[in-house]
Amino acid sequence: SAVISQKPSRDICQRGTSLTIQCQVDSQVTMMFWYRQQPGQSLTLIATANQGSEATYESGFVIDKFPISRPNLTFSTLTVSNMSPEDSSIYLCSVDSQGAKNTEAFFGQGTRLTVV
Amino acid sequence: KQEVTQIPAALSVPEGENLVLNCSFTDSAIYNLQWFRQDPGKGLTSLLLIQSSQREQTSGRLNASLDKSSGRSTLYIAASQPGDSATYLCAAQGGSEKLVFGKGTKLTVNP
Repeated sequence: SAVISQKPSRDICQRGTSLTIQCQVDSQVTMMFWYRQQPGQSLTLIATANQGSEATYESGFVIDKFPISRPNLTFSTLTVSNMSPEDSSIYLCSVDSQGAKNTEAFFGQGTRLTVV
Repeated sequence: KQEVTQIPAALSVPEGENLVLNCSFTDSAIYNLQWFRQDPGKGLTSLLLIQSSQREQTSGRLNASLDKSSGRSTLYIAASQPGDSATYLCAAQGGSEKLVFGKGTKLTVNP
């Protein structure tokens, strides 16, 4: 299994500002995933972060709004830029247990973001 | 495009009852089906992973089954307890290797 530490656990931010969320894994993994969970909804994949390359974004998500860093095999950050109330969500990072497909996925505790 | 549906959206049961949560998916070409638990405002805890070649997995009071041909999975919880109260999510992993989630079933177990 993988243990994922995510910070901050929650934050209340002013519109127009940016927030950077950190995700630390206790083992080296190839891919890290960032998800958004809007109120009352399920999880939607924002992007996949590979070490040493640009993140791959899903339809509807762009790098200018959600820049991602992946400096090494155990750490990643997601920034939510120029926030609006519509960005209020839980943001979660995830990894696969063996860094390969068809393996168990593990999640951090999430960051609960409220934009006012 | 894979779509995952969970029924019911919410379920309330008395303590001690056995219950079944349902998950259906539209594309049977999956690698695996995973069940998660989510407590309010928190992240996801992995409960059970069923590989596409398997029919079921068990962990304690939990048993998950998978029928790829019909596009269905069920999570059976035996002798439910108030501590089981949470939202239960299923997710299918397919050829794109991405997880597609259902919207979840919110379970309340009343003492």
